[in-house]
Amino acid sequence: KQEVTQIPAALSVPEGENLVLNCSFTDSAIYNLQWFRQDPGKGLTSLLLIQSSQREQTSGRLNASLDKSSGRSTLYIAASQPGDSATYLCAVSGETSGSRLTFGEGTQLTVNP
Amino acid sequence: KAGVTQTPRYLIKTRGQQVTLSCSPISGHRSVSWYQQTPGQGLQFLFEYFSETQRNKGNFPGRFSGRQFSNSRSEMNVSTLELGDSALYLCASTGRWRGGETQYFGPGTRLLVL
Repeated sequence: KQEVTQIPAALSVPEGENLVLNCSFTDSAIYNLQWFRQDPGKGLTSLLLIQSSQREQTSGRLNASLDKSSGRSTLYIAASQPGDSATYLCAVSGETSGSRLTFGEGTQLTVNP
Repeated sequence: KAGVTQTPRYLIKTRGQQVTLSCSPISGHRSVSWYQQTPGQGLQFLFEYFSETQRNKGNFPGRFSGRQFSNSRSEMNVSTLELGDSALYLCASTGRWRGGETQYFGPGTRLLVL
């Protein structure tokens, strides 16, 4: 059974800092890994999608890496802004699980002005 | 394109009642998945429908059921509600994005069981 763990559970940083969120998964037979953002009381917004054959993806100030063999992914946020405050969720889909995603518990990020 | 829509957005029920939630996927998307989100358990997969057939099912009791219509709209039903069913229920449709497939989530239906 796939299990996804995210560290830290919460993070509070001053504006402008670069930060790293961590995600680990137990079964390396994944189809892809995604990072989502969730604002309080809202649905999820996809940030980055990394296919199992890829090592990293970048979008603006965000960079996500994937090390499938070690079961790890990191989300790097450069020059953080107060608007980045949200919960960040890591999710994996299995090679045979179709669209089913297994989520981590999330990292609650607060960026202070 | 319009995003995934869910109705109703908020719902209050009492124990023992049943509830039906609705989800309209993005036009052209044929796969719809449902998730339950609670503070204690996080996001958990309920089921996935594709072309009106249940393709995948999570580890939830039989009180949780769903269906999908020919226009890809989906409904989920929870019978004999329990206090622990209070949660945010999220629906997602699957589509192409940046060379792969991703799930596009709706805003959710927040269910409170009293």
